[in-house]
Amino acid sequence: AQSVTQLGSHVSVSEGALVLLRCNYSSSVPPYLFWYVQYPNQGLQLLLKYTSAATLVKGINGFEAEFKKSETSFHLTKPSAHMSDAAEYFCAVSDGNFNKFYFGSGTKLNVKP
Amino acid sequence: DAGVIQSPRHEVTEMGQEVTLRCKPISGHNSLFWYRQTMMRGLELLIYFNNNVPIDDSGMPEDRFSAKMPNASFSTLKIQPSEPRDSAVYFCASSPVGKVTEAFFGQGTRLTVV
Repeated sequence: AQSVTQLGSHVSVSEGALVLLRCNYSSSVPPYLFWYVQYPNQGLQLLLKYTSAATLVKGINGFEAEFKKSETSFHLTKPSAHMSDAAEYFCAVSDGNFNKFYFGSGTKLNVKP
Repeated sequence: DAGVIQSPRHEVTEMGQEVTLRCKPISGHNSLFWYRQTMMRGLELLIYFNNNVPIDDSGMPEDRFSAKMPNASFSTLKIQPSEPRDSAVYFCASSPVGKVTEAFFGQGTRLTVV
């Protein structure tokens, strides 16, 4: 079975500071991992995905995530936060079976001026 | 491509009424998912289809909820009768089967049952 745990339901950073959103996964098979972003009153939009190629994955808007098998983690980072990054971020895992996705509980990112 | 299209975007209904939410997946996508999002429970998978066939409906909360996919380009989620605790944002998503890829989400339907 697959699952993800997102540590911290709310994260607050100052504009220009490092963004680190944590995600740990559990999977009985090699996982496929995703980060999505949700802006208010919008659907979920893909930021980046890991599908067993390079362990460091670069996504849109300057975000990247590193797959660490030994730590079962897939943390999302951005070197310098921008006000427009304020949103809710979801980590998800799939086992590739019919592409069924399991989502974490989400982390709301607040960016302070 | 127009993406996943959901209708209506907002729905307000009275308790006990039937509610039907609609979804048009991206053309060529074989998998379709219905999710429900609430503050308390987050994002929950209700049901998903593969090639129009329901594969897993274990997330459907109770018999008041039903979903159909009569063809590859249309799906409905029906709640009958509706209750205030059904108030949530309902998302439809689709993805192509055969390769691992992300799910593409619609804009959601915000349902309010009063």
